[in-house]
Amino acid sequence: DAGVTQSPTHLIKTRGQQVTLRCSPKSGHDTVSWYQQALGQGPQFIFQYYEEEERQRGNFPDRFSGHQFPNYSSELNVNALLLGDSALYLCASSPRTSGGTFFGPGTRLTVL
Amino acid sequence: KNQVEQSPQSLIILEGKNCTLQCNYTVSPFSNLRWYKQDTGRGPVSLTIMTFSENTKSNGRYTATLDADTKQSSLHITASQLSDSASYICVVIHGDGGGSYIPTFGRGTSLIVHP
Repeated sequence: DAGVTQSPTHLIKTRGQQVTLRCSPKSGHDTVSWYQQALGQGPQFIFQYYEEEERQRGNFPDRFSGHQFPNYSSELNVNALLLGDSALYLCASSPRTSGGTFFGPGTRLTVL
Repeated sequence: KNQVEQSPQSLIILEGKNCTLQCNYTVSPFSNLRWYKQDTGRGPVSLTIMTFSENTKSNGRYTATLDADTKQSSLHITASQLSDSASYICVVIHGDGGGSYIPTFGRGTSLIVHP
């Protein structure tokens, strides 16, 4: 079992561009959550997907959107990038019934 | 409002020494509490998981305690090693009433172990 995988590892974009980050959950997990972690801060919850629908959402603008596919993998899309979007984006998967969370290695996004 | 507060914000200790990290929370309804270790630029890795009825749980040199009445938890690290240098994050899992579980993260304690 490869655990939670994310791609790409690193990404550099410029202001105003759009970005898509990808996540494959741990085997047997059906729920995927996304987090933004700024340098020196704890992760901030963006949203959670289950059964291909957004179930919960944190305090993030509509520029942040996502998708979950039938195989439970997920994408995070960010439009109109701002400098403040530079962060480590973490994907976590869990079985819906327990909240037991396993994290991926993250994608480091730098917005110039 | 669901919140998780950790202290201290940062800590420097000498190799071989013990240390204790604190976590206070106001999350409700409580499901379980987890301590994670996060190396710089990497995803967090789970150290311990504690439910409401558990007071203490160990994982090698890491021992976590939970007082559900006072809503406090601690992580004790024994005989610290250089590889313990990392950020330690307290996470409290709560239910949303609809069958889903949401984690609330603390900001972490940055631990540096010096030789």
